[in-house]
Amino acid sequence: SQQGEEDPQALSIQEGENATMNCSYKTSINNLQWYRQNSGRGLVHLILIRSNEREKHSGRLRVTLDTSKKSSSLLITASRAADTASYFCATDVGNFNKFYFGSGTKLNVKP
Amino acid sequence: EAQVTQNPRYLITVTGKKLTVTCSQNMNHEYMSWYRQDPGLGLRQIYYSMNVEVTDKGDVPEGYKVSRKEKRNFPLILESPSPNQTSLYFCASSFSSFNEKLFFGSGTQLSVL
Repeated sequence: SQQGEEDPQALSIQEGENATMNCSYKTSINNLQWYRQNSGRGLVHLILIRSNEREKHSGRLRVTLDTSKKSSSLLITASRAADTASYFCATDVGNFNKFYFGSGTKLNVKP
Repeated sequence: EAQVTQNPRYLITVTGKKLTVTCSQNMNHEYMSWYRQDPGLGLRQIYYSMNVEVTDKGDVPEGYKVSRKEKRNFPLILESPSPNQTSLYFCASSFSSFNEKLFFGSGTQLSVL
């Protein structure tokens, strides 16, 4: 079974709106990362949040982590058409070398 | 330019014909890994390598082999490909481990007929 699962599976918004996607995982983690993938291309790293952190910002991105609920959220503010992509969370399971990716949230930002 | 290079980008082959997908990184990264991506299943880790001559299984290693003879290269070998190995494959690297972000290659779309 998947360690990380994103929700929703698909999200469609207008340009300028905020987009929120969530990630839930099953076991304790050391770190959680978010990645973006454009149309079957390679994934691009967005942000890493450690288990002892609760919130992190990078430009228009805001990531939160709630280890008690085993969940994380990614907020993209003032979305742009160029943000259209699939977004994945990735977690470890105590083993720093094994990565688990969810099936992703497909975001469509309409101009 | 710092990058992970995978070849080929597209590959069509027949069942049982051995193939190799190459992966090379120019960032002096210690950690390298292979994933396959299938619709609805996200990315699943096939093998990873912590350093030269050190490799270990991921979640779906059956039917695959890897080697790490040089730090920069981490080829994925399918000795006898089968149709269920039709997938999109990604190579990734990072400086050390999960504490660092992964850099991904552009992917190899493999079709096994």
